[in-house]
Amino acid sequence: DAKTTQPPSMDCAEGRAANLPCNHSTISGNEYVYWYRQIHSQGPQYIIHGLKNNETNEMASLIITEDRKSSTLILPHATLRDTAVYYCIVKMYSGGGADGLTFGKGTHLIIQP
Amino acid sequence: GAVVSQHPSRVICKSGTSVKIECRSLDFQATTMFWYRQFPKQSLMLMATSNEGSKATYEQGVEKDKFLINHASLTLSTLTVTSAHPEDSSFYICSARDYRGAGGNQPQHFGDGTRLSIL
Repeated sequence: DAKTTQPPSMDCAEGRAANLPCNHSTISGNEYVYWYRQIHSQGPQYIIHGLKNNETNEMASLIITEDRKSSTLILPHATLRDTAVYYCIVKMYSGGGADGLTFGKGTHLIIQP
Repeated sequence: GAVVSQHPSRVICKSGTSVKIECRSLDFQATTMFWYRQFPKQSLMLMATSNEGSKATYEQGVEKDKFLINHASLTLSTLTVTSAHPEDSSFYICSARDYRGAGGNQPQHFGDGTRLSIL
């Protein structure tokens, strides 16, 4: 699985859009970009994933650059409850045994009131 | 969406006790589940892959005799920490993928974790 690089921390004002970058310059053609977040003392929560097209769901939008070497997770209207550690993970699932995830340090997003 | 339930959420016990943690997929069948461990201020680390009806696969450095995994049904995996000691105190989290659907890129879904404290 390709390595990812994220800033260790970011601040964002409540109500504004939070844009979290992720660099994955060694991503291969079949690898997807997944985003999870972990609120303090809870299990990680799946947010969104994509291959090459931009994706949007009820939680967030995912923008992947044309060369797929980086991506941005966008929380359109951040609230205090969005304060969490956000993990960007690149993965190609092969089925079964090798499907465990490798977590980096993630980005600690702090939403300021 | 896919829901993974983990029980108990918190355990406090004496050194030498064995502790069992359950992980259930509530609305899908999971032939494979995953167990992670997270120490304070650190990221999640994959411990083992639990396979229904066969032996678990452990990551390097994880003692299989210490962390017993049983995956006896398509919706339940258990992790037993045997003869637990204070250094085993950690946050244990399980996950599973719902492999149904096209594309093979379904995400993993995580339980809420079990905070284990060994006195």
